[in-house]
Amino acid sequence: QKEVEQDPGPLSVPEGAIVSLNCTYSNSAFQYFMWYRQYSRKGPELLMYTYSSGNKEDGRFTAQVDKSSKYISLFIRDSQPSDSATYLCAMNAGNMLTFGGGTRLMVKP
Amino acid sequence: GAVVSQHPSRVICKSGTSVKIECRSLDFQATTMFWYRQFPKQSLMLMATSNEGSKATYEQGVEKDKFLINHASLTLSTLTVTSAHPEDSSFYICSAWTHTGELFFGEGSRLTVL
Repeated sequence: QKEVEQDPGPLSVPEGAIVSLNCTYSNSAFQYFMWYRQYSRKGPELLMYTYSSGNKEDGRFTAQVDKSSKYISLFIRDSQPSDSATYLCAMNAGNMLTFGGGTRLMVKP
Repeated sequence: GAVVSQHPSRVICKSGTSVKIECRSLDFQATTMFWYRQFPKQSLMLMATSNEGSKATYEQGVEKDKFLINHASLTLSTLTVTSAHPEDSSFYICSAWTHTGELFFGEGSRLTVL
């Protein structure tokens, strides 16, 4: 079993939809949780960073962490075609970061 | 926000030559940087951890003589692909931690070996 599980998708939604991206993990030592967006042929871009259970909001993005269930989510409101990308969850304990495999999202106009 | 810059963004070379990729932290000091490799439609694969002033730590299966890493200063790490072959063609990405605990990535470098 992988330490971090993420559905690879692709996830296809119409423009304006609310998108829910999720990751589960098995290592209870993970303390920091991040979401990255990666466009094709580009490096990952940090979207959200949180270290506590609960919600963190930034514009159209909301990151949710449930440490008791070892489950994190990224919600995208009013999704746009420009949100089409691969979304990677990542988490760390100490200096090492463990990534999910990424979910490919396609937002259709 | 913190920025990590990679150079070159794209390089094409002949088989047997060596290629150097630079990773710079532009507005912060990074004692540790990471190098990844990514194949099309696949996730990042950690190759090695670059430590300023000491030897890099390589992941299992990564040839340290093939992928030379040098972290000579707090803002610069380099990855040299030695005697490159077509199978080394890939997207190479670096990242670095800020003192606030955020990990930022470079833009990536696409290597094509002919």
